[in-house]
Amino acid sequence: DTGVSQDPRHKITKRGQNVTFRCDPISEHNRLYWYRQTLGQGPEFLTYFQNEAQLEKSRLLSDRFSAERPKGSFSTLEIQRTEQGDSAMYLCASSLAQGAPGELFFGEGSRLTVL
Amino acid sequence: GEDVEQSLFLSVREGDSSVINCTYTDSSSTYLYWYKQEPGAGLQLLTYIFSNMDMKQDQRLTVLLNKKDKHLSLRIADTQTGDSAIYFCAESMVSSASKIIFGSGTRLSIRP
Repeated sequence: DTGVSQDPRHKITKRGQNVTFRCDPISEHNRLYWYRQTLGQGPEFLTYFQNEAQLEKSRLLSDRFSAERPKGSFSTLEIQRTEQGDSAMYLCASSLAQGAPGELFFGEGSRLTVL
Repeated sequence: GEDVEQSLFLSVREGDSSVINCTYTDSSSTYLYWYKQEPGAGLQLLTYIFSNMDMKQDQRLTVLLNKKDKHLSLRIADTQTGDSAIYFCAESMVSSASKIIFGSGTRLSIRP
């Protein structure tokens, strides 16, 4: 299967710990997005990359959150000093810059539970 | 500001049409989208409409856009059990075409 893959699928951590999620996009996709989704809500935009450049970052993203895409392929999202409010599903998506508008291909997500 | 609103639930009988509604606030929206999320699966783009269109049809799906009222709807004809999912309305804007803003989703359930 060559879809978007995310790892780990589920992470349980204690408040104050750091966590890192990885996303492997579809191989030829040059855009990569991170979203966060809480129960009963739609995905909330966090940030996106075109190749290795981080082009936009949500104001909601505190400085405890950092995302990288060092070689323009996979990406990592790190959350430092986790808080209970960080508990959510973290979704990664990828797309072609020249593809159909809004045609994001989403992974199944990484669920974070902060105790 | 950016805001997309949808009703939370819709229940329809198998074989009937489903109509899912959405309102958005930003008049600079360029594209409007409908995504589908099935249990345990990633979101999937169903269809999109450019803001200068008022209707788009794709097999059982019909999208209607009323730009004056900032109202978008998705009609699913002959609803089947496989259509059970959460449907998200979403928009992107001229100022940030790659940033897609999602509504809270409408959970569609099908009764026999």
